[in-house]
Amino acid sequence: GAGVSQSPRYKVAKRGQDVALRCDPISGHVSLFWYQQALGQGPEFLTYFQNEAQLDKSGLPSDRFFAERPEGSVSTLKIQRTQQEDSAVYLCASSPRTKEETQYFGPGTRLLVL
Amino acid sequence: RKEVEQDPGPFNVPEGATVAFNCTYSNSASQSFFWYRQDCRKEPKLLMSVYSSGNEDGRFTAQLNRASQYISLLIRDSKLSDSATYLCVVNRLWGKLQFGAGTQVVVTP
Repeated sequence: GAGVSQSPRYKVAKRGQDVALRCDPISGHVSLFWYQQALGQGPEFLTYFQNEAQLDKSGLPSDRFFAERPEGSVSTLKIQRTQQEDSAVYLCASSPRTKEETQYFGPGTRLLVL
Repeated sequence: RKEVEQDPGPFNVPEGATVAFNCTYSNSASQSFFWYRQDCRKEPKLLMSVYSSGNEDGRFTAQLNRASQYISLLIRDSKLSDSATYLCVVNRLWGKLQFGAGTQVVVTP
């Protein structure tokens, strides 16, 4: 079956540019997570949605980062005025239920800010 | 100090040998524990959950020591396809996973 998909897979942005990263979770999955993975590091939690509600955004590094999931399925992570330190892989994960612990990851979007 | 710490390696392992490595976690309120595997430039994939009693999945054995706050993974009869980065993961709340930086394993012919 279809897994989590993300687009674009690669994005090169000039410093100061806004970017939008898309995540299509597995159909019917209630929970959706965004993570940021810097080179040589493990993924770091950014934010969590339960259906359309953003229940935790404590990991977002600054107010330049914004995420939404308006209809409880597709989610978009937006980064405004990108900086070089935003260069990373952005991973989306989904899980079937609210306290289901198995998270299924998408392939990630590799963002490079020049 | 990071919440989950791992030896980055690399652990260079001859094919067929056994390799074991640990991770430590700092928050005693952590509720559940996992090992994920991540291949180069790919997404993390769940390898196995870790239970207090210890558990096996084929050639892989995971153990949890809550008193000392460490988790271990042992791989027996290593295959070339086991070469990857192994991420130690701790779940403290509802799914907010805390990842270690990973231990790289390289299995050589």
